[in-house]
Amino acid sequence: NAGVTQTPKFQVLKTGQSMTLQCAQDMNHEYMSWYRQDPGMGLRLIHYSVGAGITDQGEVPNGYNVSRSTTEDFPLRLLSAAPSQTSVYFCASSLSGRSGTDTQYFGPGTRLTVL
Amino acid sequence: KQEVTQIPAALSVPEGENLVLNCSFTDSAIYNLQWFRQDPGKGLTSLLLIQSSQREQTSGRLNASLDKSSGRSTLYIAASQPGDSATYLCAVKIRGQGNLIFGKGTKLSVKP
Repeated sequence: NAGVTQTPKFQVLKTGQSMTLQCAQDMNHEYMSWYRQDPGMGLRLIHYSVGAGITDQGEVPNGYNVSRSTTEDFPLRLLSAAPSQTSVYFCASSLSGRSGTDTQYFGPGTRLTVL
Repeated sequence: KQEVTQIPAALSVPEGENLVLNCSFTDSAIYNLQWFRQDPGKGLTSLLLIQSSQREQTSGRLNASLDKSSGRSTLYIAASQPGDSATYLCAVKIRGQGNLIFGKGTKLSVKP
């Protein structure tokens, strides 16, 4: 198993550009989520999905879109990049969102800089 | 709203010491509590998961406890080593959506 994979590892954008961060898992997990990690703020939830075709907003959803057309993939789209979106982005997955026994697995992260 | 707090924010100890990292949370309606390790520039690695009905979990030199009624968890690291140097994150999985709410972490440095 490759686990949770993210591409790209690094990205530099100019203000106003759009892009998609890719996330894939090969563990047949129902639950997938996106976090951003900023110094002094910790990890904050952007969007999450409890299964294919179902997505919902987390704590900091503004400026981001998601979709979940397959169980494996959960891309995060930045619509019009802003310097405030400079951050490290992590994708995570777990077997179910409503279980106390399953661990969340994290991808290696994407470091995004918006100039 | 669930809030997770970790104390201290940073900790420096000499090699060989036993140490305790603290985590507190405000809402006891959780599925579980997880401890993660994060090395600089890397992703998160799960260390221990304690279900809401459990009191503790052990893995090697690590022991995590959970007191749901008081909203507290501790991570005990025995005989610390320089390789334990990392940031340790505590997260609770909230009932309902099942999202993880993270603390801001404790940055541990173990000096040889």
